[in-house]
Amino acid sequence: SQTIHQWPATLVQPVGSPLSLECTVEGTSNPNLYWYRQAAGRGLQLLFYSVGIGQISSEVPQNLSASRPQDRQFILSSKKLLLSDSGFYLCARADGGAHGYTFGSGTRLTVV
Amino acid sequence: QKEVEQDPGPLSVPEGAIVSLNCTYSNSAFQYFMWYRQYSRKGPELLMYTYSSGNKEDGRFTAQVDKSSKYISLFIRDSQPSDSATYLCAMSENPGTASKLTFGTGTRLQVTL
Repeated sequence: SQTIHQWPATLVQPVGSPLSLECTVEGTSNPNLYWYRQAAGRGLQLLFYSVGIGQISSEVPQNLSASRPQDRQFILSSKKLLLSDSGFYLCARADGGAHGYTFGSGTRLTVV
Repeated sequence: QKEVEQDPGPLSVPEGAIVSLNCTYSNSAFQYFMWYRQYSRKGPELLMYTYSSGNKEDGRFTAQVDKSSKYISLFIRDSQPSDSATYLCAMSENPGTASKLTFGTGTRLQVTL
């Protein structure tokens, strides 16, 4: 199984509050993991990717950070949310055989 | 200019119609091409992938790649209401786990009864 668990499904947070979104994956060990944000009309924007524990690459300078404390755990965080952080956040893993990704079900974040 | 361009739609067609969805790209290093389907409030799921120019068929779906024109298409035959979703094209320079995918913005498709 290549299942990806993401929670929560929806989240409403005030501006200035912290954020922690968790993603856990099943299946083969040492997967490549990704955090994407999807905004209306802008497609999927790659935020972070990780090739192993403690290894994080950031694609876009922003108010967010990511960590990978365990092989199958990927966390997206913020110390102080901005209105512009609202969006649909997706965790994904690379699946070598299919040359594609498996995505989680996403978290819809609304910052108010 | 975006690396991948995709018409956002919405595209509305009657049930049974043939649907054509398209993407253009500017990076000639892209070698692997994918189509994802995304239902509302869900994560995208891989629908088709190909790594060469030409056609690839899977049931009612056909993926077409023209590298010389930097143009890819997804055709859906005998469209069904259950095909109503957003379709995203994606592409990468490298295969498998080494890949970083670049996505189009997605085309929203509505198939009506």
